Amino acid sequence: DTAVSQTPKYLVTQMGNDKSIKCEQNLGHDTMYWYKQDSKKFLKIMFSYNNKELIINETVPNRFSPKSPDKAHLNLHINSLELGDSAVYFCASSRQTNYEQYFGPGTRLTVT
Amino acid sequence: GIQVEQSPPDLILQEGANSTLRCNFSDSVNNLQWFHQNPWGQLINLFYIPSGTKQNGRLSATTVATERYSLLYISSSQTTDSGVYFCAAGGTSYGKLTFGQGTILTVHP
Repeated sequence: DTAVSQTPKYLVTQMGNDKSIKCEQNLGHDTMYWYKQDSKKFLKIMFSYNNKELIINETVPNRFSPKSPDKAHLNLHINSLELGDSAVYFCASSRQTNYEQYFGPGTRLTVT
Repeated sequence: GIQVEQSPPDLILQEGANSTLRCNFSDSVNNLQWFHQNPWGQLINLFYIPSGTKQNGRLSATTVATERYSLLYISSSQTTDSGVYFCAAGGTSYGKLTFGQGTILTVHP
């Protein structure tokens, strides 16, 4: 009965590869987010979807493409991975924008 | 956008001590949350508190929105309280949360 889940939990891959991270929430929320936590623990928003519509798109390389097939799922696809993409990626959801956000367990991506 | 500053950056306590963590934000907010990131990396919701005061066990929080700060109080600290405490604030930008740099709390037995 996990509220916000992410797969995989760990991802180790080589530079140049393409990878996806999946997120699912069973809270019935309308809004979902992707955040990135760097090696200094700094957390920064990347994208947000509300009712499957993209509403926040921060300054992120266009190698990153989010996709929301339905309100309960938000995936993150990354093309041509670079060393600097190594980080922990967190998915979150909230009932609506500006409501309390709940975070998934994170996906630790390591690019070698 | 909103700027969020937390203090102190590091805090070392003996078990049983009390502490206060501060979060200053630069603009009016619709969302203010406190999180604890445990040593396994999990972000745990502590409080959703855009204004007012809330208490949950040994933890309590107060946000004074008009003066643009929030405080997190931890009483009778335990070793399991160790980790990083984040404050995050959101204004009118579609739910975007801006995080502070965190306070690293270490509680020694």
